[in-house]
Amino acid sequence: DVKVTQSSRYLVKRTGEKVFLECVQDMDHENMFWYRQDPGLGLRLIYFSYDVKMKEKGDIPEGYSVSREKKERFSLILESASTNQTSMYLCASSPSWRANSYEQYFGPGTRLTVT
Amino acid sequence: GIQVEQSPPDLILQEGANSTLRCNFSDSVNNLQWFHQNPWGQLINLFYIPSGTKQNGRLSATTVATERYSLLYISSSQTTDSGVYFCAVPTSGTYKYIFGTGTRLKVLA
Repeated sequence: DVKVTQSSRYLVKRTGEKVFLECVQDMDHENMFWYRQDPGLGLRLIYFSYDVKMKEKGDIPEGYSVSREKKERFSLILESASTNQTSMYLCASSPSWRANSYEQYFGPGTRLTVT
Repeated sequence: GIQVEQSPPDLILQEGANSTLRCNFSDSVNNLQWFHQNPWGQLINLFYIPSGTKQNGRLSATTVATERYSLLYISSSQTTDSGVYFCAVPTSGTYKYIFGTGTRLKVLA
């Protein structure tokens, strides 16, 4: 079974702190994603990575950066956390879209509260 | 871009009842996924179903790609089926998945 893990289930940070959210997958998937989910707004894509050191902006990249130094690990960084970044953060991975099946798998999520 | 709509938005059932959730999409797709988001927030894969019918226990799904819809059937519902059900489709030739707005299901004991 594909396993996607995230470093924390719950996280409380103060405004202005630098925050790292980490995601690890064990299925050698090329693609990894970071989403945030907010009531009434659904899932929104923050950043995407299709290979090591490769990244592309999603729909709402402002205030975030990412790092992918190893294939299995994709980190989301909040350079200076703000209260409007309080949200549920979901990491996902999938095989390359060149594969026959590019089913997406999600981690358990991190509920981040910025005070 | 492709639009994905789900219905109904909310559904309340008594334990043991059956239900059908619908996902409509505005353009042709070559795959589609159904997820269940449990009360703790995790999205659980239910089906990867670009076309045809699949079954897994009390759940089954059918995608009719030519008609641009997919159905998720839940039979003999249990309280543990409660949560939000999403369908998602990838945009053609890209990495981006478009999620529907979800159906919130509550199963009462």
